[in-house]
Amino acid sequence: DVKVTQSSRYLVKRTGEKVFLECVQDMDHENMFWYRQDPGLGLRLIYFSYDVKMKEKGDIPEGYSVSREKKERFSLILESASTNQTSMYLCASTPRLAGAGELFFGEGSRLTVL
Amino acid sequence: DAKTTQPPSMDCAEGRAANLPCNHSTISGNEYVYWYRQIHSQGPQYIIHGLKNNETNEMASLIITEDRKSSTLILPHATLRDTAVYYCIVRLNTGFQKLVFGTGTRLLVSP
Repeated sequence: DVKVTQSSRYLVKRTGEKVFLECVQDMDHENMFWYRQDPGLGLRLIYFSYDVKMKEKGDIPEGYSVSREKKERFSLILESASTNQTSMYLCASTPRLAGAGELFFGEGSRLTVL
Repeated sequence: DAKTTQPPSMDCAEGRAANLPCNHSTISGNEYVYWYRQIHSQGPQYIIHGLKNNETNEMASLIITEDRKSSTLILPHATLRDTAVYYCIVRLNTGFQKLVFGTGTRLLVSP
């Protein structure tokens, strides 16, 4: 089975802490995405990457950074967590060629910042 | 990405067909229509996609109007497990392009 794995399903952090959310895919996909999901707002794109070491800002990049050192791994970093970053975070991947619209999502990481 | 418009919620009786509409009036000629769904507390799941012909798979059917400005996802015999939020998006089928989700349609299937 193809798989996108997010490192933690549930995290609780304190304001000001540095937070790492890890995502690994085993499908050799070029494109990877980080979304956050909040009630009433749907999925909002934070950052995406189309290749190793490449990254592009999505619609809400403020307060976040990303790292893509290896093709299979895409990390989302909250340098100094704040309470308004409490959310569900979803990672997804797609191939670059045919099938690029078919996203494979992880199960999500629910982050609570106190 | 072309924007899509979906009703916020719909109800359906178990065993009946669920028809979920999506408007995408600014879709370009080479953009596909994709449908996803998200069951509570899970990541979204791909359902189906199409360019201009109607498509069917084991999960659903997709009907795209001739002018491609709208589409309908059909779940032919809805079950309680089909209760979810359904998202319609449009994008190219290759290359790199950010994928933007709207707020989707919350489908409630009732006994």
